Amino acid sequence: DAKTTQPTSMDCAEGRAANLPCNHSTISGNEYVYWYRQIHSQGPQYIIHGLKNNETNEMASLIITEDRKSSTLILPHATLRDTAVYYCIVRTSGTYKYIFGTGTRLKVLA
Amino acid sequence: DAGVIQSPRHEVTEMGQEVTLRCKPISGHNSLFWYRQTMMRGLELLIYFNNNVPIDDSGMPEDRFSAKMPNASFSTLKIQPSEPRDSAVYFCASSLPGTGDGEQFFGPGTRLTVL
Repeated sequence: DAKTTQPTSMDCAEGRAANLPCNHSTISGNEYVYWYRQIHSQGPQYIIHGLKNNETNEMASLIITEDRKSSTLILPHATLRDTAVYYCIVRTSGTYKYIFGTGTRLKVLA
Repeated sequence: DAGVIQSPRHEVTEMGQEVTLRCKPISGHNSLFWYRQTMMRGLELLIYFNNNVPIDDSGMPEDRFSAKMPNASFSTLKIQPSEPRDSAVYFCASSLPGTGDGEQFFGPGTRLTVL
């Protein structure tokens, strides 16, 4: 079973920031938070991951709460091409296994 | 780099036929994964190879499914005999040496339809 809870769907206006929440209240100390997205009919694409600290890369920012029980993926300026299903995954360090939940279907509106 | 390559992209077959899906991982990656995605069950890991050796096949649904990795640049997933409930999109993914914290790179998938 997935260890994360995400809203089923969200809308965001083009050019605005998209903030996608994820709850992982049972996360343990050696578990990372990963985000992937899947654009229609394509394979999942890695976005970002983190352990404790906030992370930023060219695609997004990841904000992890101090107690690590939840996180938020931020797409700073959403475009129509960001319309996709976004998966939040908890993965134990040193292991290979992802358990994909149902994700959040983000629709970016023109 | 061409990324993970899968073939065929689409496969339509009849129940009872053998189906072989193919995957070429990214050069230099030594971990390879086969996933299956359906509307009902979402994205599920079927099998994981490390250095061409199957490490975890607990996700393989039943004996009709088999996977091989004869060398570092090629893997197959075979279904024999195929059944309509095997209809799904099958993804192959690879990752860099060391299972630590690396990302997995997914291929475009093979859409399988069993009639």
